[in-house]
Amino acid sequence: NAGVMQNPRHLVRRRGQEARLRCSPMKGHSHVYWYRQLPEEGLKFMVYLQKENIIDESGMPKERFSAEFPKEGPSILRIQQVVRGDSAAYFCASSPGVPGNSPLHFGNGTRLTVT
Amino acid sequence: AQTVTQSQPEMSVQEAETVTLSCTYDTSESDYYLFWYKQPPSRQMILVIRQEAYKQQNATENRFSVNFQKAAKSFSLKISDSQLGDAAMYFCAYRSLNYGGSQGNLIFGKGTKLSVKP
Repeated sequence: NAGVMQNPRHLVRRRGQEARLRCSPMKGHSHVYWYRQLPEEGLKFMVYLQKENIIDESGMPKERFSAEFPKEGPSILRIQQVVRGDSAAYFCASSPGVPGNSPLHFGNGTRLTVT
Repeated sequence: AQTVTQSQPEMSVQEAETVTLSCTYDTSESDYYLFWYKQPPSRQMILVIRQEAYKQQNATENRFSVNFQKAAKSFSLKISDSQLGDAAMYFCAYRSLNYGGSQGNLIFGKGTKLSVKP
């Protein structure tokens, strides 16, 4: 049973380009969460999605960032016109439903470097 | 808003010895979950142990145990018989039981980097 799959593992973008990060949740999981980890920091919540719905995007910057979790296919975190401050590790996590006391299962993250 | 504080940026322990990592949190809620995650250099986030706030008994997972002091809002992690493979960043995390939009939102501390000396 494959875990949460994120790709790419590393992504380099020049300032002004777009970054697309993909996350395939664990089989049977319909809830996806995106977190950002800046250097020497803990993970910070960005957005929580269910299939075709954004449930909570309170941690997402208002501009340039968007996320989706379509009916078919992986969840995508999209960053438009990247800036150096977007350089970070981006983690996706999934759960089968309302988390309750079930832990979130994390992917290995995508390290985004903006040059 | 809830906050999680890890006051030890770095800790070191001798192999086979015991080490305790500190975590305090702030919340006005009475029911919630607490977690410790391990992040080795591979960057993977690995769940170490979890605790439900309504349970008085401290959680234990093999060599890992917690000291949960609800009144003091403290949730420390004890690692016994430390092994070289325990070297990693350790993050304490809080999750609300609020069944609103923020469910699933883990709030993390800044982490403690644990080194294990052979």
